[in-house]
Amino acid sequence: TQLLEQSPQFLSIQEGENLTVYCNSSSVFSSLQWYRQEPGEGPVLLVTVVTGGEVKKLKRLTFQFGDARKDSSLHITAAQPGDTGLYLCAGLDSNYQLIWGAGTKLIIKP
Amino acid sequence: GAGVSQSPRYKVAKRGQDVALRCDPISGHVSLFWYQQALGQGPEFLTYFQNEAQLDKSGLPSDRFFAERPEGSVSTLKIQRTQQEDSAVYLCASSLGTGAGYSNQPQHFGDGTRLSIL
Repeated sequence: TQLLEQSPQFLSIQEGENLTVYCNSSSVFSSLQWYRQEPGEGPVLLVTVVTGGEVKKLKRLTFQFGDARKDSSLHITAAQPGDTGLYLCAGLDSNYQLIWGAGTKLIIKP
Repeated sequence: GAGVSQSPRYKVAKRGQDVALRCDPISGHVSLFWYQQALGQGPEFLTYFQNEAQLDKSGLPSDRFFAERPEGSVSTLKIQRTQQEDSAVYLCASSLGTGAGYSNQPQHFGDGTRLSIL
C-alpha cells in the first residue's frame, strides 16, 4: 500500500511552461527525498528536505517540504525537454525506511 | 566500479524457470535494497539487508522469491518457478547505512534488470 500520493500521475506540457508536482501523505516523515528516473536507468537523487517549511532550489527546480512534514512539492520553471522523466518522492518513516510514491511521469515537448 | 552494478540488464525466461539476478553495491555501503518496479510506477520495496543480515523481507510477494547477501557485499535475488506476473524491472540500491545516524543518506540505484517471463 502506497502511503505517499503523487499528483498528477502524468503531465505533458510545452517547453517553457511552469509546472508543479505534489507529494502528499497523512503520515509525518522525518525527511523527504525527490528522485528523477530516466528510461532504462535507476532513480537518481535530486534533493533531500528535512525541516518543515524548508525550500531548496536546484537551478530551475524548487522543492518545498510542508510545515507539518506530511507533504512536499516540486516546482519547475520554464521546463525544458531535458526535464522529461519520472519524478519520484520518497519519505523516511519512523523506522528509517523509505516509503515511495508511485511517481509523476513528466514529458516536456519541444 | 563507482556505482551500483546489476546483471544481467535483460533476462527473458519461460514460465516455470528459475532466475537469479545479481547486484554489486557500492563498496563500503552497508545497506542494500531490492525493489520491483512496474512500467511508469514507483519502486515497490521487496527486501533489505544490513551487511549480510536480511532485516526486512516483508515486501517479497511469495515464497518463490529469495534474496541473499552472504558476505555482506554482492547480493542475489532468486525467483523460483517464475510466473508472468513476475515480469518487471528489478532495482537494487545501496546506501552507506540506515538508522538514526544515516537518516538522510540517499539510496544509490543500479540501472535494474528487466525481467520478461514468457
